[in-house]
Amino acid sequence: GAVVSQHPSRVICKSGTSVKIECRSLDFQATTMFWYRQFPKQSLMLMATSNEGSKATYEQGVEKDKFLINHASLTLSTLTVTSAHPEDSSFYICSAEQGVGNQPQHFGDGTRLSIL
Amino acid sequence: GEDVEQSLFLSVREGDSSVINCTYTDSSSTYLYWYKQEPGAGLQLLTYIFSNMDMKQDQRLTVLLNKKDKHLSLRIADTQTGDSAIYFCAESSTSGTYKYIFGTGTRLKVLA
Repeated sequence: GAVVSQHPSRVICKSGTSVKIECRSLDFQATTMFWYRQFPKQSLMLMATSNEGSKATYEQGVEKDKFLINHASLTLSTLTVTSAHPEDSSFYICSAEQGVGNQPQHFGDGTRLSIL
Repeated sequence: GEDVEQSLFLSVREGDSSVINCTYTDSSSTYLYWYKQEPGAGLQLLTYIFSNMDMKQDQRLTVLLNKKDKHLSLRIADTQTGDSAIYFCAESSTSGTYKYIFGTGTRLKVLA
């Protein structure tokens, strides 16, 4: 149980393109999902907390107009990287909290984004 | 501020036990977690421990928590080559949003 699906697993696109990444909880409902960014050989950096039916909460230094988050249902959150540039190339990982309040997060398999 | 630290590397021989250590600073954390990350993949939840527990065992995994010293460890018995990965400890924030504070990650290499 507690499976999180992230799609696509890899994206290569030209500079200026907008890219949407989906995160789905397959067998549980997730009121809260999280989006992380991971640089090579580093830990995960939290970008934002996504709450179903409300606006996402962004961490300091993360541009909300650059990284659009939508959490329209209890099983789906999307991250759109708008007008992507090479510096946005990274590994993006989502997670979903099983239950409400201080429950384990279950992670997707990540999306490798490469902007040319 | 809150900080979680781990040693960067650990190398063990197949069949030996591995012990991965983690220190944290937030004494009010309620849960502490261990995750495994294989190359190019997301994080797999291995186990977690509530802060009022000292130990938790789950098959080959044993978690020890020393709350006084703010020290968490993960012991993997009979380590196999498939255990080679990066291991992250994480504490849940008490800021009200239940965000994780991740450790720096320990790269475990198992030698055949």
